[in-house]
Amino acid sequence: DVKVTQSSRYLVKRTGEKVFLECVQDMDHENMFWYRQDPGLGLRLIYFSYDVKMKEKGDIPEGYSVSREKKERFSLILESASTNQTSMYLCASRPGGAGETQYFGPGTRLLVL
Amino acid sequence: SQQGEEDPQALSIQEGENATMNCSYKTSINNLQWYRQNSGRGLVHLILIRSNEREKHSGRLRVTLDTSKKSSSLLITASRAADTASYFCALHTGTASKLTFGTGTRLQVTL
Repeated sequence: DVKVTQSSRYLVKRTGEKVFLECVQDMDHENMFWYRQDPGLGLRLIYFSYDVKMKEKGDIPEGYSVSREKKERFSLILESASTNQTSMYLCASRPGGAGETQYFGPGTRLLVL
Repeated sequence: SQQGEEDPQALSIQEGENATMNCSYKTSINNLQWYRQNSGRGLVHLILIRSNEREKHSGRLRVTLDTSKKSSSLLITASRAADTASYFCALHTGTASKLTFGTGTRLQVTL
């Protein structure tokens, strides 16, 4: 069965802290994605990766960076957390080939105080 | 914008009734996908319909696509309380590797 896991369901951090959100998939998928979800704005793509050590900016990359050292793991990094980064963060993976089904993790709800 | 727009934003029906939600978009698409999200959880893929297809079924779900009107609809027949969730359409356009999601329709099914 397809599985995408995220390191935390809930996270509380202080402004200025460095925050790591981790995502692991066990399906040997080439593509991995990080979204944030905010009320009224839907899902917005932050970064995605189509191969190990490869990354591309999504629609809202400012304030974020990513790391993909292994195929199964895709990390989202908030270098210096700010209150406007309080959000639900969703990781997804997809096999090779554009436009196919994405598989989502359960999400991490991040609160930055 | 390449984002799909769902309509209505919210829908409340009684168990056993049918639920219809719509997605309109402005650009040409390769395929359109529907996802469900239970409260506070990740999204689950429901159906993918390609631009050369007009209708697809999966269990109680029926999806139609009208590329001339740039719109799609998701019909859930004989709804159940467990269908209570938000439903999103997602567009795959051009050669992009990514999907663009709409803002969703919140469906409430009451007993």
